[in-house]
Amino acid sequence: KQEVTQIPAALSVPEGENLVLNCSFTDSAIYNLQWFRQDPGKGLTSLLLIQSSQREQTSGRLNASLDKSSGRSTLYIAASQPGDSATYLCAVRRDGNTGKLIFGQGTTLQVKP
Amino acid sequence: NAGVMQNPRHLVRRRGQEARLRCSPMKGHSHVYWYRQLPEEGLKFMVYLQKENIIDESGMPKERFSAEFPKEGPSILRIQQVVRGDSAAYFCASSPLTGNEKLFFGSGTQLSVL
Repeated sequence: KQEVTQIPAALSVPEGENLVLNCSFTDSAIYNLQWFRQDPGKGLTSLLLIQSSQREQTSGRLNASLDKSSGRSTLYIAASQPGDSATYLCAVRRDGNTGKLIFGQGTTLQVKP
Repeated sequence: NAGVMQNPRHLVRRRGQEARLRCSPMKGHSHVYWYRQLPEEGLKFMVYLQKENIIDESGMPKERFSAEFPKEGPSILRIQQVVRGDSAAYFCASSPLTGNEKLFFGSGTQLSVL
């Protein structure tokens, strides 16, 4: 059974710091991995999607890496801003025939001005 | 192109009543997924539907919960005889096709059972 774990559960950093959020999964047989952002009381916004054959994806100040063999992904946020404050979720997809995602519990990030 | 639309945003029900949650997928999307986020827990998959078909309902409780995605109109998640433990945020997501497409999520419906 696939399990997804995110560490740390919460993180508080001063503005401008570079930071790394971690995601690990127990079954390396994944189709892809997706990072989301969730703001309080709101839905999920997709940030980056990494296919199982890829090693990383970049979008602006965000970079996500994937090491399937070790069951790990990281989300790197450069030059953090207060607007980055949110909960970050990673989710793995088992196969391409279904959009069923297995989510981690999330990391709640606070960036202080 | 409007995103995934869910309504209502907030729904309050008393124990024993029925709750109906609606989801209109993005234009051109024919696949709908429902997820539930219980307090202090992560999002859990409930059901995957295509038009007029339930593809995977492995995450749905066996009793009181049902879902449909008719040929015309929104997808409906129906909870009969609600209990306090049903209080949660219910999210709908859609995608155009299976494969490597991203899922796009709605803003969710917050269900509160009194």
